[in-house]
Amino acid sequence: AQSVTQPDIHITVSEGASLELRCNYSYGATPYLFWYVQSPGQGLQLLLKYFSGDTLVQGIKGFEAEFKRSQSSFNLRKPSVHWSDAAEYFCAVGTGGGNKLTFGTGTQLKVEL
Amino acid sequence: DAGVIQSPRHEVTEMGQEVTLRCKPISGHDYLFWYRQTMMRGLELLIYFNNNVPIDDSGMPEDRFSAKMPNASFSTLKIQPSEPRDSAVYFCASTLWGETEQFFGPGTRLTVL
Repeated sequence: AQSVTQPDIHITVSEGASLELRCNYSYGATPYLFWYVQSPGQGLQLLLKYFSGDTLVQGIKGFEAEFKRSQSSFNLRKPSVHWSDAAEYFCAVGTGGGNKLTFGTGTQLKVEL
Repeated sequence: DAGVIQSPRHEVTEMGQEVTLRCKPISGHDYLFWYRQTMMRGLELLIYFNNNVPIDDSGMPEDRFSAKMPNASFSTLKIQPSEPRDSAVYFCASTLWGETEQFFGPGTRLTVL
Protein backbone atom coordinates (compact mmCIF):
# COMPACT_ATOMS: atom_id res chain seq x y z
CA ALA A 1 0.00 0.00 0.00
CA GLN A 2 1.11 3.53 -0.64
CA SER A 3 2.30 5.81 2.15
CA VAL A 4 3.71 9.28 2.61
CA THR A 5 6.14 10.46 5.27
CA GLN A 6 6.67 14.05 6.23
CA PRO A 7 9.42 13.86 8.84
CA ASP A 8 9.13 17.44 10.06
CA ILE A 9 6.03 18.15 12.15
CA HIS A 10 6.93 21.78 12.78
CA ILE A 11 9.32 24.13 11.00
CA THR A 12 10.09 27.73 11.85
CA VAL A 13 11.83 30.04 9.41
CA SER A 14 12.48 33.75 9.29
CA GLU A 15 10.72 35.83 6.68
CA GLY A 16 12.89 36.08 3.60
CA ALA A 17 14.75 32.86 4.34
CA SER A 18 14.60 29.85 2.06
CA LEU A 19 12.37 26.89 2.82
CA GLU A 20 12.47 23.18 2.13
CA LEU A 21 9.80 20.80 3.33
CA ARG A 22 10.57 17.12 3.05
CA CYS A 23 8.34 14.41 1.70
CA ASN A 24 9.09 10.74 1.11
CA TYR A 25 6.64 8.35 -0.46
CA SER A 26 6.24 4.64 -0.88
CA TYR A 27 4.43 3.37 -3.94
CA GLY A 28 5.11 0.52 -6.31
CA ALA A 29 4.39 2.31 -9.56
CA THR A 30 5.03 5.76 -10.97
CA PRO A 31 3.38 8.05 -8.48
CA TYR A 32 1.17 11.03 -8.87
CA LEU A 33 2.50 13.48 -6.27
CA PHE A 34 0.92 16.57 -4.82
CA TRP A 35 1.56 19.34 -2.34
CA TYR A 36 -1.42 21.00 -0.70
CA VAL A 37 -1.53 23.92 1.72
CA GLN A 38 -4.08 24.44 4.47
CA SER A 39 -4.54 27.80 6.13
CA PRO A 40 -6.21 27.87 9.56
CA GLY A 41 -9.91 27.09 9.34
CA GLN A 42 -9.73 26.51 5.61
CA GLY A 43 -9.82 23.61 3.24
CA LEU A 44 -6.83 22.41 1.29
CA GLN A 45 -5.50 24.22 -1.75
CA LEU A 46 -3.30 22.61 -4.36
CA LEU A 47 0.18 24.13 -4.65
CA LEU A 48 1.61 21.87 -7.35
CA LYS A 49 1.55 18.36 -8.76
CA TYR A 50 3.79 15.93 -10.57
CA PHE A 51 2.76 13.16 -12.94
CA SER A 52 5.59 12.75 -15.40
CA GLY A 53 8.14 14.65 -17.42
CA ASP A 54 10.29 17.39 -15.95
CA THR A 55 11.13 16.45 -12.40
CA LEU A 56 11.18 20.07 -11.25
CA VAL A 57 7.66 21.42 -11.10
CA GLN A 58 6.54 24.95 -10.49
CA GLY A 59 3.46 25.81 -8.51
CA ILE A 60 1.52 28.73 -7.24
CA LYS A 61 2.77 31.32 -4.74
CA GLY A 62 6.39 30.84 -5.83
CA PHE A 63 6.69 27.23 -4.68
CA GLU A 64 8.48 24.47 -6.54
CA ALA A 65 9.11 20.81 -5.90
CA GLU A 66 11.57 18.28 -7.24
CA PHE A 67 10.77 14.63 -7.83
CA LYS A 68 13.70 12.31 -7.14
CA ARG A 69 12.81 8.74 -7.97
CA SER A 70 16.06 7.33 -6.54
CA GLN A 71 15.29 8.87 -3.17
CA SER A 72 11.50 8.43 -3.32
CA SER A 73 11.25 12.08 -2.44
CA PHE A 74 9.22 15.07 -3.51
CA ASN A 75 10.51 18.00 -1.48
CA LEU A 76 8.84 21.39 -1.57
CA ARG A 77 10.96 24.54 -1.79
CA LYS A 78 10.60 28.27 -1.82
CA PRO A 79 13.57 30.63 -2.15
CA SER A 80 12.15 33.41 0.04
CA VAL A 81 9.35 32.85 2.52
CA HIS A 82 6.68 35.45 3.21
CA TRP A 83 4.77 35.78 6.46
CA SER A 84 1.60 34.80 4.62
CA ASP A 85 3.12 31.37 3.89
CA ALA A 86 2.53 30.32 7.49
CA ALA A 87 0.19 27.35 7.20
CA GLU A 88 0.17 23.59 7.24
CA TYR A 89 1.57 21.77 4.22
CA PHE A 90 0.57 18.31 3.11
CA CYS A 91 2.29 16.01 0.69
CA ALA A 92 0.13 13.38 -0.98
CA VAL A 93 0.48 10.45 -3.35
CA GLY A 94 -2.30 9.67 -5.75
CA THR A 95 -3.32 6.24 -6.99
CA GLY A 96 -6.22 5.05 -9.08
CA GLY A 97 -5.29 7.45 -11.84
CA GLY A 98 -4.37 10.03 -9.27
CA ASN A 99 -7.83 10.27 -7.83
CA LYS A 100 -7.32 8.41 -4.56
CA LEU A 101 -5.03 10.48 -2.37
CA THR A 102 -3.00 9.32 0.59
CA PHE A 103 -1.75 12.24 2.65
CA GLY A 104 1.24 12.67 4.87
CA THR A 105 0.77 13.91 8.41
CA GLY A 106 1.57 17.46 7.46
CA THR A 107 4.24 20.04 8.33
CA GLN A 108 3.23 23.14 10.25
CA LEU A 109 5.18 26.14 9.02
CA LYS A 110 5.70 29.14 11.27
CA VAL A 111 7.26 32.31 9.84
CA GLU A 112 9.07 34.68 12.16
CA LEU A 113 9.07 38.35 11.24
CA ASP B 1 -18.26 28.86 -9.49
CA ALA B 2 -18.82 28.86 -5.74
CA GLY B 3 -16.52 25.92 -5.15
CA VAL B 4 -17.34 22.94 -3.00
CA ILE B 5 -19.97 23.81 -0.43
CA GLN B 6 -20.27 22.07 2.90
CA SER B 7 -22.86 22.48 5.62
CA PRO B 8 -22.96 22.99 8.44
CA ARG B 9 -19.56 24.58 9.08
CA HIS B 10 -19.74 23.69 12.74
CA GLU B 11 -21.78 21.03 14.48
CA VAL B 12 -21.94 20.31 18.19
CA THR B 13 -23.95 17.34 19.28
CA GLU B 14 -24.26 14.90 22.12
CA MET B 15 -23.12 11.33 22.11
CA GLY B 16 -25.71 9.01 20.64
CA GLN B 17 -27.28 11.58 18.36
CA GLU B 18 -27.45 11.27 14.61
CA VAL B 19 -25.28 13.67 12.62
CA THR B 20 -25.64 14.47 8.95
CA LEU B 21 -22.99 16.37 7.04
CA ARG B 22 -23.75 17.76 3.61
CA CYS B 23 -21.72 18.49 0.52
CA LYS B 24 -22.40 20.10 -2.81
CA PRO B 25 -19.58 19.44 -5.30
CA ILE B 26 -18.48 21.76 -8.06
CA SER B 27 -20.93 21.58 -10.92
CA GLY B 28 -19.83 19.11 -13.59
CA HIS B 29 -17.41 17.22 -11.38
CA ASP B 30 -17.93 13.47 -11.43
CA TYR B 31 -15.80 12.43 -8.45
CA LEU B 32 -16.64 13.23 -4.84
CA PHE B 33 -14.53 12.41 -1.80
CA TRP B 34 -15.12 12.50 1.94
CA TYR B 35 -12.12 12.94 4.26
CA ARG B 36 -11.73 13.13 8.00
CA GLN B 37 -8.97 15.14 9.67
CA THR B 38 -7.87 14.55 13.26
CA MET B 39 -4.74 15.37 15.19
CA MET B 40 -4.05 11.72 15.84
CA ARG B 41 -4.65 10.27 12.37
CA GLY B 42 -4.21 13.24 10.06
CA LEU B 43 -6.22 13.32 6.83
CA GLU B 44 -7.95 10.08 5.99
CA LEU B 45 -10.00 9.24 2.94
CA LEU B 46 -13.30 7.76 4.09
CA ILE B 47 -15.12 7.10 0.82
CA TYR B 48 -15.30 8.31 -2.73
CA PHE B 49 -17.91 8.29 -5.46
CA ASN B 50 -17.74 8.34 -9.23
CA ASN B 51 -20.87 9.35 -11.09
CA ASN B 52 -22.82 9.04 -7.83
CA VAL B 53 -21.70 5.43 -7.28
CA PRO B 54 -19.53 4.55 -4.25
CA ILE B 55 -16.22 3.23 -5.56
CA ASP B 56 -14.15 2.71 -2.44
CA ASP B 57 -15.49 2.83 1.10
CA SER B 58 -12.60 1.00 2.72
CA GLY B 59 -11.80 4.05 4.83
CA MET B 60 -15.19 4.21 6.51
CA PRO B 61 -14.34 3.45 10.11
CA GLU B 62 -17.45 1.62 11.28
CA ASP B 63 -20.99 0.72 10.39
CA ARG B 64 -22.07 3.82 12.24
CA PHE B 65 -20.81 5.80 9.24
CA SER B 66 -22.71 5.88 5.98
CA ALA B 67 -22.50 8.05 2.88
CA LYS B 68 -24.86 8.61 0.00
CA MET B 69 -24.87 10.54 -3.22
CA PRO B 70 -28.44 10.64 -4.52
CA ASN B 71 -27.54 12.92 -7.41
CA ALA B 72 -24.59 14.66 -8.99
CA SER B 73 -24.96 17.79 -6.90
CA PHE B 74 -25.44 16.46 -3.39
CA SER B 75 -23.86 14.03 -0.96
CA THR B 76 -24.32 13.26 2.71
CA LEU B 77 -22.16 11.65 5.35
CA LYS B 78 -24.16 10.33 8.27
CA ILE B 79 -22.98 9.15 11.66
CA GLN B 80 -25.49 7.22 13.74
CA PRO B 81 -25.03 7.03 16.66
CA SER B 82 -22.27 9.58 17.13
CA GLU B 83 -19.47 9.11 19.66
CA PRO B 84 -16.92 11.57 21.12
CA ARG B 85 -14.12 9.94 19.10
CA ASP B 86 -15.91 11.02 15.93
CA SER B 87 -14.99 14.62 16.74
CA ALA B 88 -12.96 15.86 13.78
CA VAL B 89 -13.04 18.11 10.75
CA TYR B 90 -14.76 16.44 7.82
CA PHE B 91 -13.86 17.59 4.34
CA CYS B 92 -15.58 17.03 1.07
CA ALA B 93 -13.68 17.34 -2.21
CA SER B 94 -14.58 16.97 -5.86
CA THR B 95 -12.82 16.61 -9.17
CA LEU B 96 -13.36 15.81 -12.79
CA TRP B 97 -12.09 12.65 -14.45
CA GLY B 98 -8.68 13.39 -15.93
CA GLU B 99 -8.25 16.54 -13.85
CA THR B 100 -6.59 14.90 -10.80
CA GLU B 101 -6.61 18.09 -8.73
CA GLN B 102 -9.15 17.71 -5.97
CA PHE B 103 -11.00 20.84 -4.90
CA PHE B 104 -11.72 20.90 -1.21
CA GLY B 105 -14.60 22.44 0.66
CA PRO B 106 -14.03 24.46 3.85
CA GLY B 107 -14.86 21.51 6.06
CA THR B 108 -17.33 20.78 8.85
CA ARG B 109 -15.95 20.85 12.37
CA LEU B 110 -17.84 18.21 14.35
CA THR B 111 -17.75 18.08 18.12
CA VAL B 112 -19.46 15.20 19.88
CA LEU B 113 -19.86 15.74 23.62
